[in-house]
Amino acid sequence: QTVVTQEPSLTVSPGGTVTLTCGSSTGAVTSGFHPNWFQQKPGQAPRALIHHVGIRFAWTPARFSGSLLGGKAVLTLSGVQPEDEAEYYCLLFYGDFWIFGGGTRLTVL
Amino acid sequence: QVQLQESGPGLVEPSGTLSLTCGVSGDSPSTRDWWSWVRQPPGKGLEWIGEVSYGGVTKYKPSLKNRVTISMDKSINHIFLTLTSVTAADTAVYFCVRVLPSFQGFPNWGRGSLVTVSS
Repeated sequence: QTVVTQEPSLTVSPGGTVTLTCGSSTGAVTSGFHPNWFQQKPGQAPRALIHHVGIRFAWTPARFSGSLLGGKAVLTLSGVQPEDEAEYYCLLFYGDFWIFGGGTRLTVL
Repeated sequence: QVQLQESGPGLVEPSGTLSLTCGVSGDSPSTRDWWSWVRQPPGKGLEWIGEVSYGGVTKYKPSLKNRVTISMDKSINHIFLTLTSVTAADTAVYFCVRVLPSFQGFPNWGRGSLVTVSS
């Protein structure tokens, strides 16, 4: 069974930089996995942030950036704001279906 | 702007069938769009269930493939989810999601519909 792995939790100070990763049990994540990133706050539906590795949606702040590094998909938040405290999910494509990562709870403290 | 609204029974008995509808309103979606269902058990993470294209092509999560059907009525812009033989493990908030073609992302989400499996 294929598993997509994310850090369960991370903590960052306001104004700081944090990196969230997304790995696959099948091996290195490449652009062919078309990584997507989502933000979800309590009681809300997820909000799409990034698609196809690093392409931001129109509503995604520039402080969010996506890339591939070390065989994983990476979401970097630079200049973190208090409102960035949320759960973050990655999503990878496996040829015929998609799998979400378990999510990373980001605390801004 | 495309809006999505899920609807359906909030309570389903074990071994029964879960049926949800997603209504699409607002800007006319492209005929190249796909439509996904994603669920989230209470306090847990997201799970992709499957998707349907405007032309009726479907893709499903392998572990759910035997129990799930996703379809679309293009004439009324409704997307349907059917999940058979449900158990308590199927209790979740179910989201309808618009998927852009050519891997351009999952930009539009409904608010979600909570379905509880219980007798």
